[in-house]
Amino acid sequence: EIVLTQSPGTLSLSPGERATLSCRASRSISSYYLAWYQQRPGQAPRLLIYATSTRATGVPQRFTGSGSGTDFTLTIDKLESEDFAVYYCQKYGNSPLFSFGPGTKVEIK
Amino acid sequence: QVHLVQSGAAVSRPGSSVKVSCEASGGTFTKNAFNWVRQAPGQGLEWVGRILPSVAITNYAERFQDRVTITADTPTATVYMELSSLTSDDTAVYYCATSAEYFQNWGQGTLVVVSS
Repeated sequence: EIVLTQSPGTLSLSPGERATLSCRASRSISSYYLAWYQQRPGQAPRLLIYATSTRATGVPQRFTGSGSGTDFTLTIDKLESEDFAVYYCQKYGNSPLFSFGPGTKVEIK
Repeated sequence: QVHLVQSGAAVSRPGSSVKVSCEASGGTFTKNAFNWVRQAPGQGLEWVGRILPSVAITNYAERFQDRVTITADTPTATVYMELSSLTSDDTAVYYCATSAEYFQNWGQGTLVVVSS
C-alpha cells in the first residue's frame, strides 16, 4: 500500500505570500497519477491540479503543481483570501485504488 | 461538465443500513466512473468505492468490502451507495464524484449520522 503524507499540517501565512505544500509518497508513483484538491469549510473538494502539474478548468495560474517519484509540491503564489482552505493530495493506482493525504490547512496569519 | 445532486441527510441506527443516491446530469452517464468518498467530522477524505456503469464493474476499498454496495441505474442516471452494519464511526459526509485518475466533479455531499 502506498501512503501519502503531507507537510506541514498547518501553514500560517498572510495574503500576498507564497505557500509551498508538500506531498510525499511512501513509494514512487507515476506523475500522471497525482492530483491536488482544495476544500473550503462546508464545501465539497474542488479539483485544482491533476497529472502533477495540469491545472483543472478555471483554476488560476497562481496555483502550480510539480514533482516526481515520491515528492510532489503545490505552490500558491500571492495568496488571496479565497485560498485559505485545506489542500489534499491524492494518488491513483495500487491498493487502495484511490487514496488521499491527510491534508494541509492554509490559514491566515 | 457533469452535475451531481445527492439525496438529503440521513439518520440511521447502529447496526442498520443507509442508502444514499447521486443523480447525474450533463454528459453521458455511461461514459463516467462514479465514486463515493467520505469525510468524517473534522477529518480528511477517504475513498469508499466506485462503479463503472458501462460495464457494471465495482471496486471497493478493502475496509468497506464486506458492507458496501454501489449500484447504478442508467435510465435515471442515478448511482447509489448502500452501507450496512453501521457504527458511530460511519458518521460522515458522503460525496459522490466522477473520476478518471482523479475526481473531476463532486456532488454537494450527504450527511449520514449514525445514532441511537
